[in-house]
Amino acid sequence: QQQVKQSPQSLIVQKGGISIINCAYENTAFDYFPWYQQFPGKGPALLIAIRPDVSEKKEGRFTISFNKSAKQFSLHIMDSQPGDSATYFCAASKGNFNKFYFGSGTKLNVKP
Amino acid sequence: GAVVSQHPSRVICKSGTSVKIECRSLDFQATTMFWYRQFPKQSLMLMATSNEGSKATYEQGVEKDKFLINHASLTLSTLTVTSAHPEDSSFYICSATGTVGEKLFFGSGTQLSVL
Repeated sequence: QQQVKQSPQSLIVQKGGISIINCAYENTAFDYFPWYQQFPGKGPALLIAIRPDVSEKKEGRFTISFNKSAKQFSLHIMDSQPGDSATYFCAASKGNFNKFYFGSGTKLNVKP
Repeated sequence: GAVVSQHPSRVICKSGTSVKIECRSLDFQATTMFWYRQFPKQSLMLMATSNEGSKATYEQGVEKDKFLINHASLTLSTLTVTSAHPEDSSFYICSATGTVGEKLFFGSGTQLSVL
């Protein structure tokens, strides 16, 4: 059973546009939701993370929106740039950090 | 941010040989390290979790005698692929958490190719 479901699988956005990636989870015990960015041949890098006590977190052009009742969270990339082209993974974890569950990934292509 | 160093970045070996991959936390103590396997265009598949000084906990379906994990210190974990075969060819990634607050950091990955 997939603990975290991510969509879309791929996304094409024009430069300057908004990229939106969605994730949904089932386990209400999850209390930490990070997003990772991965370039080809590299390990994932932590982008931004949120806890369920807030509905939104913004860091620069990256925003996480969190809907606890719907058990969904999303990543918004404002003013998308070609350099943002990468694969993005959402994840979820319980407070003890003993296990992380990853989404299936979204390959983002930002067209110049 | 915190740095997790993983070596080698790429290794090619003959079938039947063993390969060791190192994962080091450079500026924090990694109390817990995770090892993942990633196939092209797919998500990360957790192989095992290791806590410093303890035996690793392997995920279902992962052969512990084939993928040996050692986490002997708070800054170093190793994954040894024993008697590697072509089907073991994959991208292996480590990650670590510990004295860095509530965050998980990844190594840069190791591309293993078994001929």
